[in-house]
Amino acid sequence: DAGITQSPRHKVTETGTPVTLRCHQTENHRYMYWYRQDPGHGLRLIHYSYGVKDTDKGEVSDGYSVSRSKTEDFLLTLESATSSQTSVYFCAISEQGKNGYTFGSGTRLTVV
Amino acid sequence: KQEVTQIPAALSVPEGENLVLNCSFTDSAIYNLQWFRQDPGKGLTSLLLIQSSQREQTSGRLNASLDKSSGRSTLYIAASQPGDSATYLCFNEGGSQGNLIFGKGTKLSVKP
Repeated sequence: DAGITQSPRHKVTETGTPVTLRCHQTENHRYMYWYRQDPGHGLRLIHYSYGVKDTDKGEVSDGYSVSRSKTEDFLLTLESATSSQTSVYFCAISEQGKNGYTFGSGTRLTVV
Repeated sequence: KQEVTQIPAALSVPEGENLVLNCSFTDSAIYNLQWFRQDPGKGLTSLLLIQSSQREQTSGRLNASLDKSSGRSTLYIAASQPGDSATYLCFNEGGSQGNLIFGKGTKLSVKP
């Protein structure tokens, strides 16, 4: 979506390797989020950020870490990827409900 | 913990029908409610945002209503078209930080 980009769009990695997904925004929104989407589970919140260096855990944070050193970038890291982390990952941004939430196009991650 | 339920999980209708998608939630202390559309393999497109002080929003053939006291929101689609075929997601922003819950969606198929 305009103003928010995710990279890479697709990635295949091996079990046990570290992986970092990037979310970049040009909207200067304070809040950023990482979700994963899985069949039967829908979209679930992994981590979110409410400012530079301010992050918190969501519903399914185990095995994931995040960092936000700049307003525009929110990184999601899988320290040691597992097959259960095969999923589609979405990043979102917001300004605390003023205009709702805007989602990126997603990253499809496959862990083999 | 907030739970968001969407009924039905799937719906198939002939072109031209008016239809209603339902979203219910267990905690009425919500901040905003947002409806999204997701096409297969794609990201989320925002359709309508209902802020906590509002009761409904309209955009073209779409109308969304919110009744916090009964814990329900509905998305009304008028004169459905094959291009409306997609999964529709209800997104609930709760009153506390990080309380962001998606329903599992209604998969809509509009037959020509």
